[in-house]
Amino acid sequence: DSGVTQTPKHLITATGQRVTLRCSPRSGDLSVYWYQQSLDQGLQFLIQYYNGEERAKGNILERFSAQQFPDLHSELNLSSLELGDSALYFCASSVGSIPLTGELFFGEGSRLTVL
Amino acid sequence: AQTVTQSQPEMSVQEAETVTLSCTYDTSENNYYLFWYKQPPSRQMILVIRQEAYKQQNATENRFSVNFQKAAKSFSLKISDSQLGDTAMYFCAFPIQGAQKLVFGQGTRLTINP
Repeated sequence: DSGVTQTPKHLITATGQRVTLRCSPRSGDLSVYWYQQSLDQGLQFLIQYYNGEERAKGNILERFSAQQFPDLHSELNLSSLELGDSALYFCASSVGSIPLTGELFFGEGSRLTVL
Repeated sequence: AQTVTQSQPEMSVQEAETVTLSCTYDTSENNYYLFWYKQPPSRQMILVIRQEAYKQQNATENRFSVNFQKAAKSFSLKISDSQLGDTAMYFCAFPIQGAQKLVFGQGTRLTINP
């Protein structure tokens, strides 16, 4: 158990809908990272937050947004969903932010299926 | 561009054999860490081993060791005495852009056969 909690574990929805994925980092970790893993693909970095502030951005679509709350949990919002958004979405956390020297602790992922 | 390449999409070995997974990367960073993560069928990403780029000594964690060639920008993972539980996807990763992001390779699917 990494200590990172993601909900929901599975989510099935229709095109055009909006969903919210939730992540609670490990106790004491200030950084939260979101990654997308499409079928049999590597992990694509989406966005990072550190202590409530956005710190780094990857190839995150404009239809996607995220935030980190004062209690350090984070939410990833996906809107106007398309079939291609079906993927495993990982949240990870770490103690520090920059530079990244320590490991990331990953949650079990949220499997999103868009029909 | 800062990239990570894993040239072996799939590998398969017999239990107890030794296997080496390759990874090459391209970075303009000077000081950085390199990581190997394992993703078993349970989907969880688990850190296998970490290498500090400024250290010449290769990292070792029990049956797992790396062969780090900084000049060649090569970072391979060696698994000795492979076990059935080693069956998983393996990803190498390293930080880019001032170490703000961790970039992952495409992964190598490793199967250990009984």
